[in-house]
Amino acid sequence: RKEVEQDPGPFNVPEGATVAFNCTYSNSASQSFFWYRQDCRKEPKLLMSVYSSGNEDGRFTAQLNRASQYISLLIRDSKLSDSATYLCVVIRYGQNFVFGPGTRLSVLP
Amino acid sequence: GAVVSQHPSRVICKSGTSVKIECRSLDFQATTMFWYRQFPKKSLMLMATSNEGSKATYEQGVEKDKFLINHASLTLSTLTVTSAHPEDSSFYICSARDRRGPAGELFFGEGSRLTVL
Repeated sequence: RKEVEQDPGPFNVPEGATVAFNCTYSNSASQSFFWYRQDCRKEPKLLMSVYSSGNEDGRFTAQLNRASQYISLLIRDSKLSDSATYLCVVIRYGQNFVFGPGTRLSVLP
Repeated sequence: GAVVSQHPSRVICKSGTSVKIECRSLDFQATTMFWYRQFPKKSLMLMATSNEGSKATYEQGVEKDKFLINHASLTLSTLTVTSAHPEDSSFYICSARDRRGPAGELFFGEGSRLTVL
């Protein structure tokens, strides 16, 4: 079993839709969690951190469920510019970053 | 914000030659940099952790004699793909963490697309 797993998608949604991604991790010692966004042929960039209490940044909401070992990302009112690959990132003990395979999102006009 | 610059962005070489890719942190010091490889539509695969002034730490399955890493200063790490073969063609990305910022923010270089003919 991979340490970090995501549904690769693609998720094809119309503009304005709400879409949610999940990411599961296998190492219970994982300490920190993040969502990165990667546009085609570009480098990944930090989208948001994921806090235990859940956190929101505009149209984006991230949540962490330590008991079930998953994190989620919710995007409301999808825009065309949201089309990208969303990478779940987990930091395990020793500060190694582990990237999930990514979930591809296409927002359609 | 912190910036990581990677060069070259694209390189095409003949099989058997060696290619060097540079990764620079432009406005912060990075004692540790990371090198990744990414295949089309696949996630980043950590190849090695580059440590300033000491040997790099390679992930399992990555040949250290094939992928030479040198971290000679606090702002520069280099990855040399030695005796490149077509199967080495890939997108190579470096990253570094600016310790002044959020604990989890990695700043990535723009990536280097290597094509070995």
